[in-house]
Amino acid sequence: ETGVTQTPRHLVMGMTNKKSLKCEQHLGHNAMYWYKQSAKKPLELMFVYSLEERVENNSVPSRFSPECPNSSHLFLHLHTLQPEDSALYLCASSLNSESETQYFGPGTRLLVL
Amino acid sequence: QKEVEQNSGPLSVPEGAIASLNCTYSDRGSQSFFWYRQYSGKSPELIMFIYSNGDKEDGRFTAQLNKASQYVSLLIRDSQPSDSATYLCAVNAGGFKTIFGAGTRLFVKA
Repeated sequence: ETGVTQTPRHLVMGMTNKKSLKCEQHLGHNAMYWYKQSAKKPLELMFVYSLEERVENNSVPSRFSPECPNSSHLFLHLHTLQPEDSALYLCASSLNSESETQYFGPGTRLLVL
Repeated sequence: QKEVEQNSGPLSVPEGAIASLNCTYSDRGSQSFFWYRQYSGKSPELIMFIYSNGDKEDGRFTAQLNKASQYVSLLIRDSQPSDSATYLCAVNAGGFKTIFGAGTRLFVKA
């Protein structure tokens, strides 16, 4: 247990659905991250928030919309996804930034039909 | 395009042997280097980090960094079947962006 929780753990959605992934960290960290992990590919950094401000946006399609209401919570809102968006979505946090060790949540396994 | 390269494996070693996992990176300005272990169906967990050239030992694990060659490795001594997992190399060149390799699958045979 790393102190980072994610819900739901599994999600199946149609291309027209809207859903949200939730991440919560209990570590007192100031930075939070969303990653996408597809089979046999490197983790892809999607978004980074530091002290509730978005500091990285890696050319992610607009059908993914992040939200960070406070330093402990991070959401990823999903709408009109494509089948190729099926992947493991990992949330992570770090104390601050810049070379800090990241602690990962268990991930949400997403399947888009 | 900053890259981190790893051999995908699988790397198969007998129990008790030394497993050697290698990683190269393209950004010469990289400062921090991490090794994460990821069991099947689980999320990555940190094993070691290294910032300076040379070796860093922690129990059965040794990380080795050579910035001139842009090379970082992880040695696992006395490998156990429970070490069977995918090992991810990660590199940070400053800021919030850490680049991950695709991982090397390690299989330790009992």
